[in-house]
Amino acid sequence: QVQLVESGGGVVQPGRSLRLSCAASGFTFSSYAMHWVRQAPGKGLEWVAIIWYDGSYKYFADSVKGRFTISRDNSRTTLYLQMNTLRAGDTAVYYCARDGGDGYNLANWGQGTLVTVSS
Amino acid sequence: QSVLTQPPSASGTPGQRVTISCSGSSSNIGSNTVNWYQHLPGTAPKLLIYSNNQRPSGVPDRFSGSKSGTSASLAISGLQSEDEADYYCAAWDDSLNGYVFGTGTKVTVL
Repeated sequence: QVQLVESGGGVVQPGRSLRLSCAASGFTFSSYAMHWVRQAPGKGLEWVAIIWYDGSYKYFADSVKGRFTISRDNSRTTLYLQMNTLRAGDTAVYYCARDGGDGYNLANWGQGTLVTVSS
Repeated sequence: QSVLTQPPSASGTPGQRVTISCSGSSSNIGSNTVNWYQHLPGTAPKLLIYSNNQRPSGVPDRFSGSKSGTSASLAISGLQSEDEADYYCAAWDDSLNGYVFGTGTKVTVL
């Protein structure tokens, strides 16, 4: 079965960087686009970024554009989110998700990892 | 600042039918398919409906989706206590070149 396990969350000071990882198993990782989604405390879901199955295309939400980068290592079946110049507003649970392949849908989700940006 | 608008709450008694609306624009719902997600706090969100009205394997047929123009809706028939959760619509937005979620609707079973 599809399994997605996020890691790398924690407490970080404003302006610092953090890299999240998402270890995937149970499916052919190299065949699917992958997403990052976040949920700030008391708020709704917010899409963060997508990377194509081969890494050829990447798109970001305006709120993170220029600060976050998304990448993947298909040989390690792992997805990454590099977060730079972190702000208090980036505090959230970050989820990775597998695209279902039918016109962009997030078919499978990880349990999430909490990122807290605070001094 | 979500571009997809949902009512903040909806409720019903067990067995009732509840409908949740999702209003968008020509760049998202108007030109792409709509998906719906169920999210219980502290758990991973779950895909409930994809491609406007398709249910993934394992999703009960009590859940149904529809789309018309720049709006979509999710219907839950035969409401059950375990349906108490947050529900989000979502779609790709061609203008933003990104995926957008709705504002979310909290469903309460009375």
